[in-house]
Amino acid sequence: GENVEQHPSTLSVQEGDSAVIKCTYSDSASNYFPWYKQELGKRPQLIIDIRSNVGEKKDQRIAVTLNKTAKHFSLHITETQPEDSAVYFCAADSWGKLQFGAGTQVVVTP
Amino acid sequence: EAGVVQSPRYKIIEKKQPVAFWCNPISGHNTLYWYRQNLGQGPELLIRYENEEAVDDSQLPKDRFSAERLKGVDSTLKIQPAELGDSAVYLCASSLSLAGFHEQYFGPGTRLTVT
Repeated sequence: GENVEQHPSTLSVQEGDSAVIKCTYSDSASNYFPWYKQELGKRPQLIIDIRSNVGEKKDQRIAVTLNKTAKHFSLHITETQPEDSAVYFCAADSWGKLQFGAGTQVVVTP
Repeated sequence: EAGVVQSPRYKIIEKKQPVAFWCNPISGHNTLYWYRQNLGQGPELLIRYENEEAVDDSQLPKDRFSAERLKGVDSTLKIQPAELGDSAVYLCASSLSLAGFHEQYFGPGTRLTVT
């Protein structure tokens, strides 16, 4: 089955700096890669996703890149703000089954 | 548009007792998922329904867990009997699965504590 590894497990950044989270996956059949943001005690929220026929996607301050050859994808948050503090999960979808990474705790300090 | 609805939000039970969770997906979404999320970890799929059919229940501990999705809309997940290790957040998600892509939207979850 699919295996997704996510790094780092924690990330502390100064407000205004950029944050990068990296994930690798094992199943070459995976073709959809969503990212979720989860605040403490809240539901995971889909913030951006990328499909296997696209190399990069951007939505305001967040962007995701995908390298299918290397089987890795990354989330980039620019100009971080305190409200970006949360746990971020990457996931890989293989035949309708999402496999999640272990999560990255992002802390943005003012 | 209403999101995924789950109830109850919190449940505390003693071990060996039964417990049930309910989920109402986003209107029109044909695929429904039940996940378990342990503290500090990502969600793990328990079961996936496409309409009324359970198409992936390989991770569901069938000795104590059961699920149903009558009429292809609402779903219930049951644990009987509960064990201490079942303490977790149980998340329901739904998607409109077309052309092989599955944008999943999560409910608020049910936090289960087994004492």
